[in-house]
Amino acid sequence: DARVTQTPRHKVTEMGQEVTMRCQPILGHNTVFWYRQTMMQGLELLAYFRNRAPLDDSGMPKDRFSAEMPDATLATLKIQPSEPRDSAVYFCAIYGTLAYNEQFFGPGTRLTVL
Amino acid sequence: GQQVMQIPQYQHVQEGEDFTTYCNSSTTLSNIQWYKQRPGGHPVFLIQLVKSGEVKKQKRLTFQFGEAKKNSSLHITATQTTDVGTYFCAGPVGNTPLVFGKGTRLSVIA
Repeated sequence: DARVTQTPRHKVTEMGQEVTMRCQPILGHNTVFWYRQTMMQGLELLAYFRNRAPLDDSGMPKDRFSAEMPDATLATLKIQPSEPRDSAVYFCAIYGTLAYNEQFFGPGTRLTVL
Repeated sequence: GQQVMQIPQYQHVQEGEDFTTYCNSSTTLSNIQWYKQRPGGHPVFLIQLVKSGEVKKQKRLTFQFGEAKKNSSLHITATQTTDVGTYFCAGPVGNTPLVFGKGTRLSVIA
C-alpha cells in the first residue's frame, strides 16, 4: 500500500552484524506497528508507537532489538547483533480508518541472517 | 499461549470447490478482522465484524462472527486461482490492538 513504504525490501547479512529497517508512513498516520512473520510463529507484534512514543514493545527481545520513531514519517527497527533466528519478514503497519481500526501493512523487509 | 487459533493450517482444493477457514479465540472479542496475504506479499485487510452473529458477504466470500463473539469463519464459494494465499483472522486481545491467528494457507488446483 502506498501509505507505507519499507526499506530495504531484502537484506542478507552475517551473524553479528547490525541491521536497520525503515518504515515510512505517509504524514498523518500517527500509530505505527512493527510485526515479525515466520513460518513457525506466524505474525507477531513486536512494538507499536503512537505520536512517536512507544506504547508497547513487550513483544520485542530487548537485548538486541530496538525500535524508534525519530519523526512522524520515519520509524526504525534495529537489530544488534543479528542472529540467524532473526531471519524473518518484518512488516510495519499503520491504521487505515479509525472507524474500523484495520491495519495497512507495508511491503515488508525480508531479512536473512547467515 | 496462542490466543487466536485458526484451522485448518493448510487447505488444498480443486478450482470450483468451496473453502472454509475457522477462527477461535480463548476470550470474547470486541471485533474480528480478516486479512489475506498472497504468496510473497503482505497482509491486506478484507473485512471487520463487530456484532454478535454478524454475517457479511463480499462477492464469493462470506464472513461470520459467532453469537458468543469467540469464533468466526470465512467461506469462499467456488474457489478460483486468484483466491490462493493465506487467510488470517485477528482480534484485539487485552492491550494488544490485534493478535493474529497463524492463518490458513489455501492452494487452488486448476
